[in-house]
Amino acid sequence: DTAVSQTPKYLVTQMGNDKSIKCEQNLGHDTMYWYKQDSKKFLKIMFSYNNKELIINETVPNRFSPKSPDKAHLNLHINSLELGDSAVYFCASSPLVGRATDTQYFGPGTRLTVL
Amino acid sequence: AQSVAQPEDQVNVAEGNPLTVKCTYSVSGNPYLFWYVQYPNRGLQFLLKYITGDNLVKGSYGFEAEFNKSQTSFHLKKPSALVSDSALYFCAVRDLGGSQGNLIFGKGTKLSVKP
Repeated sequence: DTAVSQTPKYLVTQMGNDKSIKCEQNLGHDTMYWYKQDSKKFLKIMFSYNNKELIINETVPNRFSPKSPDKAHLNLHINSLELGDSAVYFCASSPLVGRATDTQYFGPGTRLTVL
Repeated sequence: AQSVAQPEDQVNVAEGNPLTVKCTYSVSGNPYLFWYVQYPNRGLQFLLKYITGDNLVKGSYGFEAEFNKSQTSFHLKKPSALVSDSALYFCAVRDLGGSQGNLIFGKGTKLSVKP
């Protein structure tokens, strides 16, 4: 009964390809997030999303797009993959929109390697 | 703008000794502070958080953190370290500037506990 799950765990692909990473949470949370962890282990927000509002970190290239088929899912689609996209991508969720005291719960991560 | 700093890249402790992982913060307004742990090739696990109230916060796996407003610090502590505590520890602050309240992470501190 994993709370926040991601698939796949590992993703190896060629430069220029388009790929998607799926995220699902079974916690009934309203808000979901995508974070990127680079090779130096720095963690940075990419997107935060609820059913009404998407907030995009301005540093994220528009090749990255989150897609939410329903409240429990927030998938990450990446077009025209580049070498610099290689990283670990973490999905997270929290209970309510904008409630600063809420804990965020993270998925296990997806390690993306672009060759 | 909110930020956290973890001044130590690595902390080395002998098993059974007390450990401290340091974190300082800079916020405008009330600080909402979190500690997460990342074991090798795993996702982030929530340890504890400070929202308000008692300055000493107790969390998972015997960890605790002390909030010090005058020193703007939120150091993570454990009275007796275990080898299994060896991991990467992240301090984080809630970004109150964004409506979704994503987390801003420190760079992480690698804790190494030797037998």
